[in-house]
Amino acid sequence: DGGITQSPKYLFRKEGQNVTLSCEQNLNHDAMYWYRQDPGQGLRLIYYSQIVNDFQKGDIAEGYSVSREKKESFPLTVTSAQKNPTAFYLCASTLTRNTEAFFGQGTRLTVV
Amino acid sequence: QQQVKQSPQSLIVQKGGISIINCAYENTAFDYFPWYQQFPGKGPALLIAIRPDVSEKKEGRFTISFNKSAKQFSLHIMDSQPGDSATYFCAARENYGQNFVFGPGTRLSVLP
Repeated sequence: DGGITQSPKYLFRKEGQNVTLSCEQNLNHDAMYWYRQDPGQGLRLIYYSQIVNDFQKGDIAEGYSVSREKKESFPLTVTSAQKNPTAFYLCASTLTRNTEAFFGQGTRLTVV
Repeated sequence: QQQVKQSPQSLIVQKGGISIINCAYENTAFDYFPWYQQFPGKGPALLIAIRPDVSEKKEGRFTISFNKSAKQFSLHIMDSQPGDSATYFCAARENYGQNFVFGPGTRLSVLP
């Protein structure tokens, strides 16, 4: 069953902590993305990666970091530098120069 | 120029009615226009998509109308059902580009 798996579904972070959100895909897609979604708002691009070991900043990359060591995996770290991290985080993937973006089910991060 | 504008922000329709959501763009390099449906707490899922070489695409109760000269496209949901209640996002992507630009979303409520 192909798809994108995000974990955990819910995550709580204390002030000053770094946390890592997992995103794994078995669709053999080349490109992967991280989006942030705030209540009542659209999707804002955090980081994207078109190939292994390469990634680019999106519109709101400050306070976040990523890695792409394997084609299947694109973890996102929310660092303590991100002052307002409470949001719904979505991972997506596409084939290079193909059409549809497939999304994971999201991780809801809350600062406590 | 990278923006995609979407309206209305929210929409309430009676069961059996027609739901219409409109989007507009400026970037003429956009060549792929998908619509995504998102239920609360879930990731967006592709509903229907269109390329600018056609003016209309229909899949079941869902139709995209595309006006290339006006740089506008819209989603029509015929015979709207309570199960269609969700947030709908339009999006656009450039020729051979990797990144999607999303509209801010429309929250649709279909009353029984």
